[in-house]
Amino acid sequence: GAVVSQHPSWVICKSGTSVKIECRSLDFQATTMFWYRQFPKQSLMLMATSNEGSKATYEQGVEKDKFLINHASLTLSTLTVTSAHPEDSSFYICSARDRWGINNSPLHFGNGTRLTVT
Amino acid sequence: EDQVTQSPEALRLQEGESSSLNCSYTVSGLRGLFWYRQDPGKGPEFLFTLYSAGEEKEKERLKATLTKKESFLHITAPKPEDSATYLCAVQAGSSNTGKLIFGQGTTLQVKP
Repeated sequence: GAVVSQHPSWVICKSGTSVKIECRSLDFQATTMFWYRQFPKQSLMLMATSNEGSKATYEQGVEKDKFLINHASLTLSTLTVTSAHPEDSSFYICSARDRWGINNSPLHFGNGTRLTVT
Repeated sequence: EDQVTQSPEALRLQEGESSSLNCSYTVSGLRGLFWYRQDPGKGPEFLFTLYSAGEEKEKERLKATLTKKESFLHITAPKPEDSATYLCAVQAGSSNTGKLIFGQGTTLQVKP
């Protein structure tokens, strides 16, 4: 149980284009999903908290107009990297917690999306 | 500011050579400390949750312990398949979203 699916697993795009990444909870519902970014040999840095039916909450220093988050249902959140540039190349990972679990139960992670901007 | 520091950054062990990974934390009201395993190019895989000082959890060759300032992940008689990056994360009481703050990770390599 508690499977989070992320798509695509990798994507290469040209500078200036936009890329959408999907995160789905397959066997549970999530009112909140979290988007992390991971640079090579570094840890996970939280970018934003995605809230079903409302606006996402962004961490300090993360541009909300560049990283658009939509959480339209209890099983799907999307992250769109707009006008991507090479410095946006990174490993993006989403995570979610079962809405019926306790607030401090474990987060379950997707397998990440490797974004390369050329 | 909530903070998590893991040591060592990298660890090389011979198969069967037991050791421990450290996770030191500073957090306003710990709601949970989490250990994850991450393989290259994959997302983190959940291992353990510890909620209060003195708590211990075990799974196969891994054992996690928690004090008020740090957590240890003990690896007994490791095998090459235990090679991975081990991440420690905390959930602070000040967070109403339940977000996790991660340490830098310890990359473990177990040689046969």
